[in-house]
Amino acid sequence: DIVMTQTPLSSPVTLGQPASISCRSSQSVVSSDGNTYLNWLQQRPGQPPRLLIHQISKRFSGVPDRFSGSGAGTDFTLKISSVEAEDVGVYYCMQATQFPRTFGQGTKVEIK
Amino acid sequence: EVQLVQSGGDLVQPGGSLRLSCAASGFIFSNYWMTWVRQAPGKGLEWVANINQDGSQKYYMESVKGRLTISRDNAKNSLFLQMNSLRAEDTAVYYCSRGGGSGDYWGQGTLVTVSS
Repeated sequence: DIVMTQTPLSSPVTLGQPASISCRSSQSVVSSDGNTYLNWLQQRPGQPPRLLIHQISKRFSGVPDRFSGSGAGTDFTLKISSVEAEDVGVYYCMQATQFPRTFGQGTKVEIK
Repeated sequence: EVQLVQSGGDLVQPGGSLRLSCAASGFIFSNYWMTWVRQAPGKGLEWVANINQDGSQKYYMESVKGRLTISRDNAKNSLFLQMNSLRAEDTAVYYCSRGGGSGDYWGQGTLVTVSS
């Protein structure tokens, strides 16, 4: 199984400041079709998860452009350019390149 | 508007059974893979199972193989998770989602509690 490791696990951030979350996979998540199915999800308190980014860097419909994804191979990053109050929650990376699908442990973003 | 409305969660004794449902609307259900993901209390997300568009391909996490069964009824735009031989460690909120990856739309979740 591919192990997804996120750092940090907790990220206290000042409103208006940037935040960055790293995700590392135990092996390459490049698919045989050439695509990399590395996704980022947000889970606000008491809510179901919400897809933010798919295939490393493609923002899903309605996701603000302050969210961006980057990376390649086994190392990926989610960045929030300027944290807003509504961004509080837990962020997960997830690989959908092979079965079983696997998630990172989650990174809790909170306001200082 | 894409909607996934879940039902079926309950309190069940160890060894018992339960069937979760996920009713889809707002899109052509038969065109999409579907996914079940669960979240134990206070824990992270855990992928459970996937099913392809016509139900001919199914994938499961190792610990649920032989006990949980994913299925779908495209005529009724519905996804199911039949849960048998339930264990305490199956206690979680179960989410259905559209797609074969992390899912672009998610249901509201339904709580399954396995306890005597």
